Amino acid sequence: QQPVQSPQAVILREGEDAVINCSSSKALYSVHWYRQKHGEAPVFLMILLKGGEQKGHDKISASFNEKKQQSSLYLTASQLSYSGTYFCGTESRPNFGNEKLTFGTGTRLTIIP
Amino acid sequence: DGGITQSPKYLFRKEGQNVTLSCEQNLNHDAMYWYRQDPGQGLRLIYYSQIVNDFQKGDIAEGYSVSREKKESFPLTVTSAQKNPTAFYLCASSTGLVISGDTQYFGPGTRLTVL
Repeated sequence: QQPVQSPQAVILREGEDAVINCSSSKALYSVHWYRQKHGEAPVFLMILLKGGEQKGHDKISASFNEKKQQSSLYLTASQLSYSGTYFCGTESRPNFGNEKLTFGTGTRLTIIP
Repeated sequence: DGGITQSPKYLFRKEGQNVTLSCEQNLNHDAMYWYRQDPGQGLRLIYYSQIVNDFQKGDIAEGYSVSREKKESFPLTVTSAQKNPTAFYLCASSTGLVISGDTQYFGPGTRLTVL
């Protein structure tokens, strides 16, 4: 079953913060976050593994709550370049040699000046 | 430069025709994937392959076929049996080892339009 992302869409002014959530009905082993600009390929942002630490780089970070089966992506002091659609991809079990991700429906983020 | 290439970028097809989308990678990845994306929608898995000469159906395999004769190539054929083929098609690859902390990397995509 597809993970649920919230919100579906959000509009922010430059410099504001955003939180994007990804929830699964299954126990999660890993969560992968991507950003996609219109008409382009998704670009990998970060991966969170079960039992791993919260990840982050620059002003984008993420957390993984294994008990709640959800992950959150945090964008602080948003920049115009952050605009795009954010997807989470989840895997429910660590099958060696069988990495199959199930993607959420996406969150469209629009940053305005 | 290492990466994933897809061709063509735009493809037009008449209804009832089969068409093959190309996907090549030089990342030495074992696993390759095909996804379909409709406007405003997420990514849905069509087929994936972990090793040469082996592949598995994804969530929406009906009307599609694939082959994996070489490690670096994973072409997708959209057959006339696919009822609504107009979409953006994305190919991805990975080492296939989530335990290593690796992920999937995507090609630039092919936009298929059926006329």
